[in-house]
Amino acid sequence: AQSVTQLGSHVSVSEGALVLLRCNYSSSVPPYLFWYVQYPNQGLQLLLKYTTGATLVKGINGFEAEFKKSETSFHLTKPSAHMSDAAEYFCAVTSLSGGSYIPTFGRGTSLIVHP
Amino acid sequence: DTEVTQTPKHLVMGMTNKKSLKCEQHMGHRAMYWYKQKAKKPPELMFVYSYEKLSINESVPSRFSPECPNSSLLNLHLHALQPEDSALYLCASSQDFRLAGDNEQFFGPGTRLTVL
Repeated sequence: AQSVTQLGSHVSVSEGALVLLRCNYSSSVPPYLFWYVQYPNQGLQLLLKYTTGATLVKGINGFEAEFKKSETSFHLTKPSAHMSDAAEYFCAVTSLSGGSYIPTFGRGTSLIVHP
Repeated sequence: DTEVTQTPKHLVMGMTNKKSLKCEQHMGHRAMYWYKQKAKKPPELMFVYSYEKLSINESVPSRFSPECPNSSLLNLHLHALQPEDSALYLCASSQDFRLAGDNEQFFGPGTRLTVL
């Protein structure tokens, strides 16, 4: 079984400040981890993913995430927030279950950016 | 072309109507998905097709009927819906989900459905 916990349904930052969105996962087998972003009235778009290898993963729009196995975490960061980063962010995990890899999504974190 | 298209963008229907949602992708993906998403909630998986065959049905009521006419198209037929079915319906596609877990999903923009 696999699950994802995103701490904080809302995160509010000032423009130019550090963005930190938290994601912890539970998986009995090695996981694949994803961050998706959803802008208002749009579908989800992949920001970045961790499969194997380097634990620090860089994605689009200046975002990056670090896979920490010991902490079962995959937190998303961006050094300097921009107004255009305001969106809903979903962490997702896939691992082999029942012969298939179907992602499990976290509940989402709404990022609010203040001018 | 890494785009998933969905039509219509918006749909308003009565509880006795029959309507269909359409989804199309030309990335050669053999897995296609329907999700339902309520406001400020994560997508909820409804159906998964693999190689045009229904692979997963997450106990969805029969008033929702999926169809996969070919490898590029996915439909969701709607009949006798309830107001609580109002939501954003998202289509997604990916490489075969049985082969590897690192395949990202590509999502369409969704159809905003309102049931009166």
